[in-house]
Amino acid sequence: NAGVTQTPKFRVLKTGQSMTLLCAQDMNHEYMYWYRQDPGMGLRLIHYSVGEGTTAKGEVPDGYNVSRLKKQNFLLGLESAAPSQTSVYFCASSAGTGDYNEQFFGPGTRLTVL
Amino acid sequence: SQELEQSPQSLIVQEGKNLTINCTSSKTLYGLYWYKQKYGEGLIFLMMLQKGGEEKSHEKITAKLDEKKQQSSLHITASQPSHAGIYLCGAALWGKLIFGQGTELSVKP
Repeated sequence: NAGVTQTPKFRVLKTGQSMTLLCAQDMNHEYMYWYRQDPGMGLRLIHYSVGEGTTAKGEVPDGYNVSRLKKQNFLLGLESAAPSQTSVYFCASSAGTGDYNEQFFGPGTRLTVL
Repeated sequence: SQELEQSPQSLIVQEGKNLTINCTSSKTLYGLYWYKQKYGEGLIFLMMLQKGGEEKSHEKITAKLDEKKQQSSLHITASQPSHAGIYLCGAALWGKLIFGQGTELSVKP
């Protein structure tokens, strides 16, 4: 099993460009998450999904859109990239809201917006 | 909203020394997760605590949740260079995790 994979690993964008980050999991998990990590701020939740076809906003959703058309994939889109979106993006998945809800993380995507 | 505060923000220890990282919540914790992140990589799950007073250990790392379920500590005994990285605590909240800002640990050989 590959676990959680993210594509691409690195990307440099110019201000105003758009891009999509892809997250895939092969554990048949219901829940998927997108976080961003910035120095001194830990991980902040951007959007999440509790199942195929559903999405919900997290702590910092502005400037991002997501889609969950297939259970195994969760896409994060930036329609018009801004320098403030320079960050490391992590995708995670989990089985659900049971008592034990470990999240499994992907390796991250390092995005730089010039 | 629930907030987690980790202390210290960074820590440099000599190899072989013990250390403790704290995680304090603004509200009662219903599940507290500890993760480790190596530089440039994703997060690796360490332990999850749920009950007041609970304590778990894995190799040389011990995590505790206080009786009031508002504070957790992560203790590393006889630190090694392999323990270096960023440690994050996360609070379970309706299927999501709210993370602390992280503690960066460096271990000097």
